[in-house]
Amino acid sequence: GNSVTQMEGPVTLSEEAFLTINCTYTATGYPSLFWYVQYPGEGLQLLLKATKADDKGSNKGFEATYRKETTSFHLEKGSVQVSDSAVYFCALSDQGGANNLFFGTGTRLTVIP
Amino acid sequence: DSGVTQTPKHLITATGQRVTLRCSPRSGDLSVYWYQQSLDQGLQFLIHYYNGEERAKGNILERFSAQQFPDLHSELNLSSLELGDSALYFCASSATGSGNTIYFGEGSWLTVV
Repeated sequence: GNSVTQMEGPVTLSEEAFLTINCTYTATGYPSLFWYVQYPGEGLQLLLKATKADDKGSNKGFEATYRKETTSFHLEKGSVQVSDSAVYFCALSDQGGANNLFFGTGTRLTVIP
Repeated sequence: DSGVTQTPKHLITATGQRVTLRCSPRSGDLSVYWYQQSLDQGLQFLIHYYNGEERAKGNILERFSAQQFPDLHSELNLSSLELGDSALYFCASSATGSGNTIYFGEGSWLTVV
């Protein structure tokens, strides 16, 4: 079956620190991979995505590379800001079945000045 | 703004009652999905409709039902509410075909007292 395992939080970093949030997946087919972000009191927003192996998704300074050999999609940012404080969700979409998402448990990031 | 509109944003109701959550998908999107986000269960896929027809079911209780209307808006009906149904309910939509990005609304906060 499909599942996503995400690094547990919470994660607390100082401003301008380097961020990595680990995500690994299990899928029966060739899924698309996503990172969603949920800012306090708001809904889910798509942060970035990758649809095939070796693709790199990037947005707002965040990056993640689809690694089929390690079944991973780790989220990275070189220099975090206070405004990046949010909950980050890794997800996969099953290409072969209904186009729904399987989410990880979410990682809460707090960036302190 | 994702283009997915959900109403109401907040709802407080008593146990045993019934509520209806409404969702308008992004313009042109035929697929509508419902997700539940609770503290203990995380983000869970409930149900997927495509152009009025049910396509996939996730962890949706029998007390819950959904439908998608000819104008493509969708409603999620929750009945015989229990305290444990308190959660954030997300609607999401996507264009036709697999692999399309799923865009989320801001959610409807349901509190059962």
